[in-house]
Amino acid sequence: SQQGEEDPQALSIQEGENATMNCSYKTSINNLQWYRQNSGRGLVHLILIRSNEREKHSGRLRVTLDTSKKSSSLLITASRAADTASYFCATASTGANNLFFGTGTRLTVIP
Amino acid sequence: NAGVTQTPKFRVLKTGQSMTLLCAQDMNHEYMYWYRQDPGMGLRLIHYSVGEGTTAKGEVPDGYNVSRLKKQNFLLGLESAAPSQTSVYFCASSYGLAHYNEQFFGPGTRLTVL
Repeated sequence: SQQGEEDPQALSIQEGENATMNCSYKTSINNLQWYRQNSGRGLVHLILIRSNEREKHSGRLRVTLDTSKKSSSLLITASRAADTASYFCATASTGANNLFFGTGTRLTVIP
Repeated sequence: NAGVTQTPKFRVLKTGQSMTLLCAQDMNHEYMYWYRQDPGMGLRLIHYSVGEGTTAKGEVPDGYNVSRLKKQNFLLGLESAAPSQTSVYFCASSYGLAHYNEQFFGPGTRLTVL
């Protein structure tokens, strides 16, 4: 399976702290995407990083990509209770028509 | 714009019954996808479509059929439901190929097969 794996499976932090979650994947990729899923809702796209990029920022989000280690990390700075959700990485291989999703990290931010 | 919508939101079936899940998008996207989400498994692709009139198998296509007669609609059918098909089903769409584009998701359909 090309499915990625997130680490940790669950993370609980206090509001205001930073949250870091990691994603490892198995095959060569063209891009890696991060999505958020609030409980009972569909997934929402957060950020896309291409294989030739090493770091990307979007607001309080920072994503890094290390293609030599086949891994990525998502950092959420100054977390808020509203950041409580599951976070998924998804990879797309070159020429692929579809994404392969990881198993997710469940983040809980305690007010 | 409504984005991606799915009907129904919830459904309970008995083993052997059939049903169709409807996905609609108003973003003029070429690509549409059906996923299932099971606890601890992430999302797995069932079928997808790269344009009107086309469909292709994903990672877990067995027991499902799809049709894309109109660009804005993507239907997922279960001909003879089984308890193993109890899951949450998500539809998604994108402007183009996955390796360049983000996907937009619907709110999901929770299906229980007894």
